[in-house]
Amino acid sequence: EVQLVESGGGLVQPGGSLRLSCAASGFSFSDHYMDWVRQAPGKGLEWVGRIRNKANSHTTEYAASVKGRFTISRDDSNNSLYLQVNSLKSEDTAVYYCARSTVTTALDHWGQGTLVTVSS
Amino acid sequence: IQLTQSPSSLSASVGDRVTITCRASQGISSHLVWYQQKPGKAPKLLIYAASTLQSGVPSRFSGSGSGTDFTLTISSLQPEDFATYYCQQLNSYPLTFGGGTKVEIK
Repeated sequence: EVQLVESGGGLVQPGGSLRLSCAASGFSFSDHYMDWVRQAPGKGLEWVGRIRNKANSHTTEYAASVKGRFTISRDDSNNSLYLQVNSLKSEDTAVYYCARSTVTTALDHWGQGTLVTVSS
Repeated sequence: IQLTQSPSSLSASVGDRVTITCRASQGISSHLVWYQQKPGKAPKLLIYAASTLQSGVPSRFSGSGSGTDFTLTISSLQPEDFATYYCQQLNSYPLTFGGGTKVEIK
């Protein structure tokens, strides 16, 4: 069974940083692209970014709203995905989901999400 | 690429046929997917490549379209289908979602 479990969310002050983690199991993690998607309270889904697999050199893509502040990385040896979030703003408050990408790059499995609240 | 979903919300009864549209600001071929999200839950993939049903998704769901105009249809609405539906384009980066369509009980 595919499982994705996020952790690392919490309350952080504006300008602060967090590292979100996503533990994957039940599939060959290293073969898949992985994405982060967020959802502000009561709002729609926003794509945050993607990291490709080793075959594609672990290259990354980001939404304009987070580029330069957020960094996606992965550790294939530990089946883990990460999102380093820096210079946080109130508008970054959201539930952050990790998701597995299929060969068509649709997101076919999602974690339960971790809440990041940016507030003083 | 901007995706515009319409309507933003709708009220329907069990058994109704429901159609949701997603319009892209430029052509995206068939690189469009649909997700369903229920309150407090993660999204669930329904359809990929505009019209291919994800494994395990009931056949009452269907998708169509290519280029800039896409449709998600629920042929006979069931109680478990009351949720918010999102389209997403996978044609080019940054990937983008539509604003969502909330399907409510009439």
